[in-house]
Amino acid sequence: GQQVQQSPASLVLQEGENAELQCNFSSTATQLQWFYQSPGGSLVSLLSNPSGTKHTGRLTSTTVTKERRSSLHISSSQTTDSGTYLCAIDYASSGSWQLIFGSGTQLTVMP
Amino acid sequence: AQTIHQWPVAEIKAVGSPLSLGCTIKGKSSPNLYWYWQATGGTLQQLFYSITVGQVESVVQLNLSASRPKDDQFILSTEKLLLSHSGFYLCAWRDRVFTEVFFGKGTRLTVV
Repeated sequence: GQQVQQSPASLVLQEGENAELQCNFSSTATQLQWFYQSPGGSLVSLLSNPSGTKHTGRLTSTTVTKERRSSLHISSSQTTDSGTYLCAIDYASSGSWQLIFGSGTQLTVMP
Repeated sequence: AQTIHQWPVAEIKAVGSPLSLGCTIKGKSSPNLYWYWQATGGTLQQLFYSITVGQVESVVQLNLSASRPKDDQFILSTEKLLLSHSGFYLCAWRDRVFTEVFFGKGTRLTVV
């Protein structure tokens, strides 16, 4: 089946440092999204980026579809960036559509 | 603007008791709707999705069922809870496949 692997599993930074999160997927994705999951569990969509490079605020995502990988760069990290970052791709199997999630990168930003 | 509301926020239920979780989307006509589940420390799994009223597709059942009685409403239920049902349940919507997905704030379920 489809797999989404994220690395690193966890990351600890000092405030102001940059973070680089990776997402690898096992087949060509037609849609790829990055989400932030707060410690309380709620999910917020950060970027939708099936290919190329997209920016929003301090976030930059680069997806290379043929290499089946995407990255999320967080610049000048802040303590409020702490939480779990999830990568997800659309996957169709036997007429059923799924959004397949990776297990996430847990980011901790220290003051 | 579209809003998505899930209820209840949290539940503590006994094994063998029934469960009903709800989700309502306002400001969007005919959205694709989804239920996801996340065990504590686990990965999000898609349980059900629906593209129209009355039609629900199962991805992973976990002895749960889902229904879409109205265009803006998605219900997740079971008649008998298991301990393994504990976790975090999220409802989500999107315009159609391949578009951005938006999530509700979730329901935390503890089965005791």
